[in-house]
Amino acid sequence: AQSVAQPEDQVNVAEGNPLTVKCTYSVSGNPYLFWYVQYPNRGLQFLLKYITGDNLVKGSYGFEAEFNKSQTSFHLKKPSALVSDSALYFCAVRLQTGANNLFFGTGTRLTVIP
Amino acid sequence: DVKVTQSSRYLVKRTGEKVFLECVQDMDHENMFWYRQDPGLGLRLIYFSYDVKMKEKGDIPEGYSVSREKKERFSLILESASTNQTSMYLCASSLNSFPASGNTIYFGEGSWLTVV
Repeated sequence: AQSVAQPEDQVNVAEGNPLTVKCTYSVSGNPYLFWYVQYPNRGLQFLLKYITGDNLVKGSYGFEAEFNKSQTSFHLKKPSALVSDSALYFCAVRLQTGANNLFFGTGTRLTVIP
Repeated sequence: DVKVTQSSRYLVKRTGEKVFLECVQDMDHENMFWYRQDPGLGLRLIYFSYDVKMKEKGDIPEGYSVSREKKERFSLILESASTNQTSMYLCASSLNSFPASGNTIYFGEGSWLTVV
């Protein structure tokens, strides 16, 4: 069975500082990995995904994530946080074969402090 | 841009009512999904459909049914609404081209349902 863990419910960072939102996964095969962002009272917006190739993936709004197979992690990063980055972030995993579904973590609320 | 439209953003229904949540996508996607989002639980799959008239149960299908009569439209039905179905419901869609599970799933804006 596959699962995704986001170990931090809440992350606070000062504006201009680098930010990291953590994600680890457990799957019985090779994963596809995704990050989504949700602003208040909105749906989920796609940020980036890892399918294959370079372990460092760049996405929307200056975000990037690094796939680390040995640590089964896919942490989301940004070099310089903006107040407008404050939102709820979800990591998700999908198997390359089998069920056509995303399994989500429980989300991490990022607050960027001015 | 992919557009997934959920017709109702906010609904208040009474216990026992039949509730329809409608979703339309404009990108000719084969796959469509209904998720439920609750604080601390993340998103959980209720049903998904990979073609017209085809459906598969997700993780929490009890109390729900779905209908997909046209490719672009996927409806979630609560046959008899209960207070524990108060939640945010998210519709989504994706292509089914190979590799199917590498395709991005695109979400609608969500429907907030309150059952009183």
